[in-house]
Amino acid sequence: AQKVTQAQTEISVVEKEDVTLDCVYETRDTTYYLFWYKQPPSGELVFLIRRNSFDEQNEISGRYSWNFQKSTSSFNFTITASQVVDSAVYFCALSEASTGNQFYFGTGTSLTVIP
Amino acid sequence: DAGVIQSPRHEVTEMGQEVTLRCKPISGHDYLFWYRQTMMRGLELLIYFNNNVPIDDSGMPEDRFSAKMPNASFSTLKIQPSEPRDSAVYFCASGGQGASGANVLTFGAGSRLTVL
Repeated sequence: AQKVTQAQTEISVVEKEDVTLDCVYETRDTTYYLFWYKQPPSGELVFLIRRNSFDEQNEISGRYSWNFQKSTSSFNFTITASQVVDSAVYFCALSEASTGNQFYFGTGTSLTVIP
Repeated sequence: DAGVIQSPRHEVTEMGQEVTLRCKPISGHDYLFWYRQTMMRGLELLIYFNNNVPIDDSGMPEDRFSAKMPNASFSTLKIQPSEPRDSAVYFCASGGQGASGANVLTFGAGSRLTVL
């Protein structure tokens, strides 16, 4: 079973629109960590954010915000006023304490921001 | 810190040849992961190490793949013999447990392998 599901394979938005990338995870652990990574066209994987399971406080960093809801096992990522430079593949990931910190990545959402 | 360093960045080889990919993790990180990325299968975990010891190699496709970590600053992923279906980008990532108990993986730039 997929531990991390990113149902949106591809999204296209026009510049300055807001866009939300969905992430749903599955775990029985009480202690776990959630992550978002960005992979721009250049190919490298860049860490964006980490949340632990005990901290449901939403986080905002500039145009980026993350909504963590344990009740729905979701960790969604919103980009406000999107820009062309936001075009990338975004990966959500889960790390469980019980599985020795193995990382489970979703299949990624490819975001294209059209100028 | 120079980050996670992978070499070579690009490798083109012929079927049947041996391929060795190299990784230097970030100093102080005690976890090292090897991933493979293809369009068809996305990011696949091949193997990961903790304190130089392989913890889970269930993702290694077959006996043609092997990985070693002889010390804390170096790891290799070897494919012998290589096949066209091994063509992919291979990422190395390292992580430190940290006070929070959670790894944050830092990825290398990847090694793009093409097997003809």
